[in-house]
Amino acid sequence: LAKTTQPISMDSYEGQEVNITCSHNNIATNDYITWYQQFPSQGPRFIIQGYKTKVTNEVASLFIPADRKSSTLSLPRVSLSDTAVYYCLVGDIYNQGGKLIFGQGTELSVKP
Amino acid sequence: SAVISQKPSRDICQRGTSLTIQCQVDSQVTMMFWYRQQPGQSLTLIATANQGSEATYESGFVIDKFPISRPNLTFSTLTVSNMSPEDSSIYLCSVRWDRQETQYFGPGTRLLVL
Repeated sequence: LAKTTQPISMDSYEGQEVNITCSHNNIATNDYITWYQQFPSQGPRFIIQGYKTKVTNEVASLFIPADRKSSTLSLPRVSLSDTAVYYCLVGDIYNQGGKLIFGQGTELSVKP
Repeated sequence: SAVISQKPSRDICQRGTSLTIQCQVDSQVTMMFWYRQQPGQSLTLIATANQGSEATYESGFVIDKFPISRPNLTFSTLTVSNMSPEDSSIYLCSVRWDRQETQYFGPGTRLLVL
C-alpha cells in the first residue's frame, strides 16, 4: 500500500478555493486515489476518487497528473462548514480486501 | 449508501474491565471493518470482520485484546478487553459492498478508560 504525504494543516478564508496536495511516489498501477473528509466527532465521509486526469463531482475536483505520483483535491469557494480533516488514501480498492489505510490527514481551517 | 449505527455512542470504563461495541447496518454488506482513532490522531485499522469466521487482524492487534464477532451480514461487535487508559479512543466501524469504491463509516464510539 502506497504511503501518502500531505500538509498537516492549512488555513483559508470563506469564498476562497482551497487546493490540498498529496504525494504518493510509490503508487502502483492498480491503485486508486481516494479522499475522505472527517468532521469532529464523526466518522470519515467519502468525497471523491480517481485514477488519472481529472474527476469532478458536486463537492470537489481531483486533479491527477500523468505520472500519478501526486494528486490535488480542490474545494471551490469554501465555507466555514468545510473546516475538517481531509485524508488522502491510495490503494487497490478492488483487490486489497477493501482495506483503507489512513495517513495523517490535513486539518483545514476556514475562517470568516 | 448505508445507515450505520453504533452502540454505545460513548462510555467511561474502569481499567481492567471489558466493553463490547455493537455495529448495526440497515442492509447486508460484503465487508465490515473496525478502526481505532486515538485522540488527535488518524484512523488505524484494527481488523476486518469476516462473516462466519475469525476476523483478520492487522499488525499490532490481537484477538485476545480485541475479539470480534460477525454473526451475519448486518451486524458486528468489537470487544475491548482488559482495558487500560491507553485504550481511550474512538472506535469506528465501517462497511463496504463488493466492487464498490466507497466505504461508509459509523458515527464512532468514544471510549474513556480511567
